Amino acid sequence: LAKTTQPISMDSYEGQEVNITCSHNNIATNDYITWYQQFPSQGPRFIIQGYKTKVTNEVASLFIPADRKSSTLSLPRVSLSDTAVYYCLVGDNQAGTALIFGKGTTLSVSS
Amino acid sequence: EPEVTQTPSHQVTQMGQEVILRCVPISNHLYFYWYRQILGQKVEFLVSFYNNEISEKSEIFDDQFSVERPDGSNFTLKIRSTKLEDSAMYFCASRRTSGETQYFGPGTRLLVL
Repeated sequence: LAKTTQPISMDSYEGQEVNITCSHNNIATNDYITWYQQFPSQGPRFIIQGYKTKVTNEVASLFIPADRKSSTLSLPRVSLSDTAVYYCLVGDNQAGTALIFGKGTTLSVSS
Repeated sequence: EPEVTQTPSHQVTQMGQEVILRCVPISNHLYFYWYRQILGQKVEFLVSFYNNEISEKSEIFDDQFSVERPDGSNFTLKIRSTKLEDSAMYFCASRRTSGETQYFGPGTRLLVL
């Protein structure tokens, strides 16, 4: 499984766009990039998943450069309720294997 | 939207007692998982289950742990003789096929005294 590196913490204000970058230099050909969000005392919640280029859904966008050695989760116009831990995971989604979580990025949004 | 559910939400037990944590995965999902998260630490994989058998397990999942799918809907995690260090949030997750994402339940907070 590819190791990921992401910032321990980030601070933002309401209404701003937040970009969290994750490095995964050893990503394999079959690996997908998946981001989860976790609020205190709750289970991780799937945000977005991608393989290459750009993926967008109603919650976030995921930008993946051509070399796939990094990815950026973009949260548009964050609110106080976006304060959470964000995890970047890289793995072979086709294999049905377990998710390996790192420490994630703690995003704090202030008013 | 279908959700993974878990019961109980909280459980307090004495060291050495057996506990059973219950999960109802999303109905058409085929792959099931248990994870745990000790307070302040990262989410750790325990075990995965597919086709009525364990497909993968971590070092944490020792002989004190077992999983079962006793009927078509429930997926349980049993800890035979709890230790203080088993205190954690336990999350169940499921996915429909190997190519899709995992969906997590709300967790059971286990406190071993």
